[in-house]
Amino acid sequence: QVQLQESGPGLVKPSETLSLTCTVSGDSINGYYWTWIRQPPGKGLEWIGYIYNSGIIKYNPSLKSRVTLSLDTSRRQFSLNLSSVTAADTAVYYCAREKGRGDSLDYWGQGTLVTVSS
Amino acid sequence: DIQMTQSPSSVSASVGDRVTITCRASQGISSWLAWYQQKPGKAPKLLIYAVSSLHSGVPSRFSGSGSGTDFTLTISSLQPEDFATYYCQQGASFPYTFGQGTKLEIK
Repeated sequence: QVQLQESGPGLVKPSETLSLTCTVSGDSINGYYWTWIRQPPGKGLEWIGYIYNSGIIKYNPSLKSRVTLSLDTSRRQFSLNLSSVTAADTAVYYCAREKGRGDSLDYWGQGTLVTVSS
Repeated sequence: DIQMTQSPSSVSASVGDRVTITCRASQGISSWLAWYQQKPGKAPKLLIYAVSSLHSGVPSRFSGSGSGTDFTLTISSLQPEDFATYYCQQGASFPYTFGQGTKLEIK
């Protein structure tokens, strides 16, 4: 059974960088599109981007200037860095696996709430 | 960006009812359409991918249909565990986008 687990600080100060890691277990980390999605409290889902085999990365243009995704296959982890955060970046952040390009998100982490506040 | 519009935004129904949720894309997305179920405080769960394919372990009372820009999710006979929020998502072009969600409530 594939499992994903997010980890990282739950509180980030404005203008600082939000950093989260997702650890994958139960299946290979190779050959899939590893994705980040976020959900502000009480709102809908926003796709942040994905990384595939470290060489293919796609970002949401609305966040592109502030987002960096990376993949560490030896640790079976992928990571999200979001710089210059504001209160608008307060959300539950989910990591997920996309089966194939354009396909669905078949496994999700439980999500982690990140609050941006001084 | 492709805009995904779901209707209704909320619906009240009873156990045993048949419910249909609609998702409309602002442009054609071929078959790159998935449906998710989300319960409060939980991550979304994949129900249907590629418009009509049922994800492993999902009950057969869930079904999907449609093509091009118009898609539907149908629950044939509501069960107590089906009361949740449902989202559609397109994977045809970047950025991937989700519908605003349909909240299914108990009548």
